[in-house]
Amino acid sequence: QVQLVESGGGVVQPGGSLTLSCAASGFMFITYGMHWVRQAPGKGLEWVAFIRYDGINDYYAHSVKGRFSVSRDNSKNTLWLHMTSLRAEDTALYYCAKDFREYSYPGGGFHIWGQGTMVTVSS
Amino acid sequence: QSVLTQPPSVSGAPGQRVTISCTGTSSNIGANYDVYWYQQLPRTAPKLLIYDHSNRPSGVPDRFSGSRSGTSASLAITGLQSEDEADYYCQSYDSSLSGYVFGTGTTVTVL
Repeated sequence: QVQLVESGGGVVQPGGSLTLSCAASGFMFITYGMHWVRQAPGKGLEWVAFIRYDGINDYYAHSVKGRFSVSRDNSKNTLWLHMTSLRAEDTALYYCAKDFREYSYPGGGFHIWGQGTMVTVSS
Repeated sequence: QSVLTQPPSVSGAPGQRVTISCTGTSSNIGANYDVYWYQQLPRTAPKLLIYDHSNRPSGVPDRFSGSRSGTSASLAITGLQSEDEADYYCQSYDSSLSGYVFGTGTTVTVL
């Protein structure tokens, strides 16, 4: 079955960096765009980043643009989120999610979600 | 920030019908971008409930239905059950922000 497993979360100091990973299985990873979505403790959902199925284009929320970078390796069915200049407000549970449609451009929704990995930014 | 507005909470007795509104603008729902709905049970990841305004993925009970009109969308739950107690989020795409936007979230309580 379709499965997404995130890893790499932890506690990091303000200004620090962290890289999250998402291992995908059970579907044709190479044909789907992938997202990162986060949820701060007790708060709602916030889209963070999207990378197209071919990895050529990536898109970011204004709150993370210039600090976060999304990448993928289609040969390893793996997605990453590289986070730098971390702030307290980046503290959240980070989910990776599979786009709803194959070969999609920005504009759709999130079909399958992982269980998330927690990032805490604190001194 | 949440660009789509939902009521913080709705409640109903078992078997009743409840609706959750999702109010957007001309740059998201009103711009004809698809609307999606997600159910988030306590301490679990969100689950896709409705796609393209009104379609249910395989396995989602037909008690859940979605609709869209103008710059708003809504989710209806008929025959409310205790297992429907969860947070519900609408989601679309916003051309002004060039990004995906979520609703503020609605907690459904079964009385």
